[in-house]
Amino acid sequence: DSGVTQTPKHLITATGQRVTLRCSPRSGDLSVYWYQQSLDQGLQFLIQYYNGEERAKGNILERFSAQQFPDLHSELNLSSLELGDSALYFCASSVPTNNEQFFGPGTRLTVL
Amino acid sequence: GENVEQHPSTLSVQEGDSAVIKCTYSDSASNYFPWYKQELGKGPQLIIDIRSNVGEKKDQRIAVTLNKTAKHFSLHITETQPEDSAVYFCAPSMDTGRRALTFGSGTRLQVQP
Repeated sequence: DSGVTQTPKHLITATGQRVTLRCSPRSGDLSVYWYQQSLDQGLQFLIQYYNGEERAKGNILERFSAQQFPDLHSELNLSSLELGDSALYFCASSVPTNNEQFFGPGTRLTVL
Repeated sequence: GENVEQHPSTLSVQEGDSAVIKCTYSDSASNYFPWYKQELGKGPQLIIDIRSNVGEKKDQRIAVTLNKTAKHFSLHITETQPEDSAVYFCAPSMDTGRRALTFGSGTRLQVQP
């Protein structure tokens, strides 16, 4: 158990819908990262927050957004969903002083 | 950005044999070299890492070796067991904290009992 929690574990929805994925980092970790894992693209970085502020963006679509709240939990919002958004979405957290990242169990999103 | 290549993509070994996975990277500024293990239905788990001030690190049956000049590092698993079967990813980066990881494409290791 990494100490990072993610909900829900599974999500099934339809094209055009909007969903919210939630992540709670390990106690004391200020950085939260979101990654997408699909069969054809592998593990890809989406976005990073540090202590409530956006720090870096990767291959995140404009239909996707995220935020980190004062209690440091983070939410990833996916809207106007398409079939190709079906994937595993992972959250990771790390301490400020190094880059050891600890991953949650992921949310499996299926868009029908 | 970092270009990461990982080989082989699949590896099948007999229980008890050794397994070696190699990761090549492009950014000479990278100084943090982790390996992650992902079991079916789970998130990636950090299993070993090395920083550029050392050439090798061991933790029981697993080890990581680094060749910073040639820009590659390798994961070594000795005396493999069926529970080592998983997908392994490398993710070289700068160890500044607050830095996203660029993952290799993964190696699926199958340990045959």
